[in-house]
Amino acid sequence: DADVTQTPRNRITKTGKRIMLECSQTKGHDRMYWYRQDPGLGLRLIYYSFDVKDINKGEISDGYSVSRQAQAKFSLSLESAIPNQTALYFCATSDSTRSTEAFFGQGTRLTVV
Amino acid sequence: AQSVTQLGSHVSVSEGALVLLRCNYSSSVPPYLFWYVQYPNQGLQLLLKYTSAATLVNGITGFGAEFQKSETSFHLTKPSAHMRDAAEYFCAVSDSSGFNTIFGAGTRLFVKA
Repeated sequence: DADVTQTPRNRITKTGKRIMLECSQTKGHDRMYWYRQDPGLGLRLIYYSFDVKDINKGEISDGYSVSRQAQAKFSLSLESAIPNQTALYFCATSDSTRSTEAFFGQGTRLTVV
Repeated sequence: AQSVTQLGSHVSVSEGALVLLRCNYSSSVPPYLFWYVQYPNQGLQLLLKYTSAATLVNGITGFGAEFQKSETSFHLTKPSAHMRDAAEYFCAVSDSSGFNTIFGAGTRLFVKA
């Protein structure tokens, strides 16, 4: 099983719908992140969490919200999806006691029509 | 503010040829530098990282990188390309906090037979 698991892997949704992307990890890391990948733009940070009680906005948080339900779970919500939120979304984790390298899930491809 | 520039969104080499993927960064503090690789339909995997221990860093699958402070560069190289190296490569810079990781736009490597 993957250390960082994202569900669903693919999703097509309609404009205006609420959608949740889920992430769970078995690495025991305290830090979790949500990134968005768009062609030619690399990865951009949406939200990050250093522990269950610590949630922070990243570079592009508008239109998104997150919930850290447990150390191992970090979900991303789009309250009212719009077409320009069509992208590849990645969850990542890191361990604050070791190094800053990140471990990524396999991604969720979201299409908003 | 930190930033990362990857020169060339696409690089094409012949199998057996030298691979050189360029990365320049700006950082106001001594940086942590990373190269990640993304194979099709997968998340990012750490290829190698620089954390000030040595300027020459060796990574997995035969890749290496040299930290050149004077040129603010961290170019990725491999002496001989293999077909399995075809992927997208991301350079990233971080400070010691970890959450402030900035990714480059990515360079897609094509390897011709």
